[in-house]
Amino acid sequence: DAKTTQPTSMDCAEGRAANLPCNHSTISGNEYVYWYRQIHSQGPQYIIHGLKNNETNEMASLIITEDRKSSTLILPHATLRDTAVYYCIVKVRWSNTGKLIFGQGTTLQVKP
Amino acid sequence: DSGVTQTPKHLITATGQRVTLRCSPRSGDLSVYWYQQSLDQGLQFLIQYYNGEERAKGNILERFSAQQFPDLHSELNLSSLELGDSALYFCASSVEGASGDYNEQFFGPGTRLTVL
Repeated sequence: DAKTTQPTSMDCAEGRAANLPCNHSTISGNEYVYWYRQIHSQGPQYIIHGLKNNETNEMASLIITEDRKSSTLILPHATLRDTAVYYCIVKVRWSNTGKLIFGQGTTLQVKP
Repeated sequence: DSGVTQTPKHLITATGQRVTLRCSPRSGDLSVYWYQQSLDQGLQFLIQYYNGEERAKGNILERFSAQQFPDLHSELNLSSLELGDSALYFCASSVEGASGDYNEQFFGPGTRLTVL
């Protein structure tokens, strides 16, 4: 699975959009981009995933560049409850295993 | 609530001891994963079971073992415990499609193990 690079930490004002970048320059054609988050020692929570088209669900939007070498997770209106560590993971979706390889992630601090 | 349950929530034990962590996956999920999260190592994949069979192994120590039972619950056994085994242990489950399409994983609340 391709490696990812994320900023260590970011701040965001409450009510503003939080834009979390992720670089995955060695991504291959059959690898998807997944985002999970972990709120203070709770179990990680799935947010969204995508292959090459932009994706949106009730939690967030995922923007993947045309060359697929980077992506951005967007939380449109961040709240204090969105303070968490956000993990960008690249993995093959059809595989003999669904194991997730977590990096260090980005600690997002949403401030009032 | 993810639908994945883990027991116990907290476990305090001494070095050299053996413990068993239990996980019940979401109804209908055939895959169970175990992850370890320690302060210095971050979240690490340990092992995956699919419908009772081991599917993938990560950096799981030989002192650790796991199994998945016919009712699909899973247990992680940790033996000869060392101070460095103190960590959060998470279980996750997922649905696997017919073509091996792995969907998102749902994580339990974790078991916090403290080895004294």
